[in-house]
Amino acid sequence: GESVGLHLPTLSVQEGDNSIINCAYSNSASDYFIWYKQESGKGPQFIIDIRSNMDKRQGQRVTVLLNKTVKHLSLQIAATQPGDSAVYFCAENPGGYQKVTFGIGTKLQVIP
Amino acid sequence: KAGVTQTPRYLIKTRGQQVTLSCSPISGHRSVSWYQQTPGQGLQFLFEYFSETQRNKGNFPGRFSGRQFSNSRSEMNVSTLELGDSALYLCASSGSQVNPNEKLFFGSGTQLSVL
Repeated sequence: GESVGLHLPTLSVQEGDNSIINCAYSNSASDYFIWYKQESGKGPQFIIDIRSNMDKRQGQRVTVLLNKTVKHLSLQIAATQPGDSAVYFCAENPGGYQKVTFGIGTKLQVIP
Repeated sequence: KAGVTQTPRYLIKTRGQQVTLSCSPISGHRSVSWYQQTPGQGLQFLFEYFSETQRNKGNFPGRFSGRQFSNSRSEMNVSTLELGDSALYLCASSGSQVNPNEKLFFGSGTQLSVL
């Protein structure tokens, strides 16, 4: 049959504002979570990761929050810049080395 | 340090043909995995190799196969191509030998179009 494309959620933010991208994960056994950024024509690029024994981790302009009770992840980007425009994927890895399960992604559009 | 290199960048094939894609991991990395990315299914894990051995496998038919060489370079092969195999095929490498949780470094992918 005809394949239907995934409908990517889109988040539009004004340059300089903060962005929050949310993700629900599926496997309660997952103990490692990663956020990737994919720009057009490129492969996914690692942004930040968090292990299940933490609920928050900060990087440069990015913060990841983990709520294991409701199986929810969020990525916060401070002072969003045009270069942040991309598709963002959350991913979970239940201890399976490179066997990572990716979410459908969120498209972030930064309005100059 | 050079990143993950995938060749070719673009490929056009017809139904029924077979195709081989190549991946050179980051120097020193011994784990290589392959992912398929399509608009309909998103990013899906195909398989992973470490030290020339398949360590994990996703839910793809046997037409999809791979291998890894002693220098850690990897190839994946798709036989009897179908229209639905049109996708971006991504290769990733990581450097850990024992840590099951490590970030992946992706190449830019091979865009395969099956006509």
